[in-house]
Amino acid sequence: DAGVTQSPTHLIKTRGQHVTLRCSPISGHKSVSWYQQVLGQGPQFIFQYYEKEERGRGNFPDRFSARQFPNYSSELNVNALLLGDSALYLCASSHLSESPLHFGNGTRLTVT
Amino acid sequence: GENVEQHPSTLSVQEGDSAVIKCTYSDSASNYFPWYKQELGKRPQLIIDIRSNVGEKKDQRIAVTLNKTAKHFSLHITETQPEDSAVYFCAARAAAGGTSYGKLTFGQGTILTVHP
Repeated sequence: DAGVTQSPTHLIKTRGQHVTLRCSPISGHKSVSWYQQVLGQGPQFIFQYYEKEERGRGNFPDRFSARQFPNYSSELNVNALLLGDSALYLCASSHLSESPLHFGNGTRLTVT
Repeated sequence: GENVEQHPSTLSVQEGDSAVIKCTYSDSASNYFPWYKQELGKRPQLIIDIRSNVGEKKDQRIAVTLNKTAKHFSLHITETQPEDSAVYFCAARAAAGGTSYGKLTFGQGTILTVHP
């Protein structure tokens, strides 16, 4: 079985630009969550989607948005990039909203 | 909101020794406590988890204990091996349905180094 897949693996953007990160959950998993991991810290919750509805939002500005598609894949969008947005963005999926989370390998975003 | 504190930040042990990492949480509504292992440049991998209706759980060399009254939980690794070297994260989650909607709150991580 394929795990959680994320694309791209690495991305370099300039301040002010926009970025879209993509995630495909484990087959059969209906919940997708997004986390930001800054170097040296634990992952921080950004969003959770379950059955295509937003079920939770962390303490991130409105520049961050996400959506989940009918096939349960998901996109994370970040507008007006800042240097501080440089981080590893992790997607995690679970079968149900409260099931264990399984993480993808992440997208390393560098903002210059 | 939930706050998770993790100690120590670094831990160095000799191969074969035991390692213990401790976490405390603030939200009494938290009922699920997973532990993740993250090797350099890789994704966090779930190694063990425990729910609030259980006090202890074991899986081979790994065990987790939970004290709901004191709001703390610990990871115990016995007979450590060099391949156990990684960053370990604890996390806590409240039941979905409240404002948390099942999000995980992570600790700051512990860098474990096992010397051969």
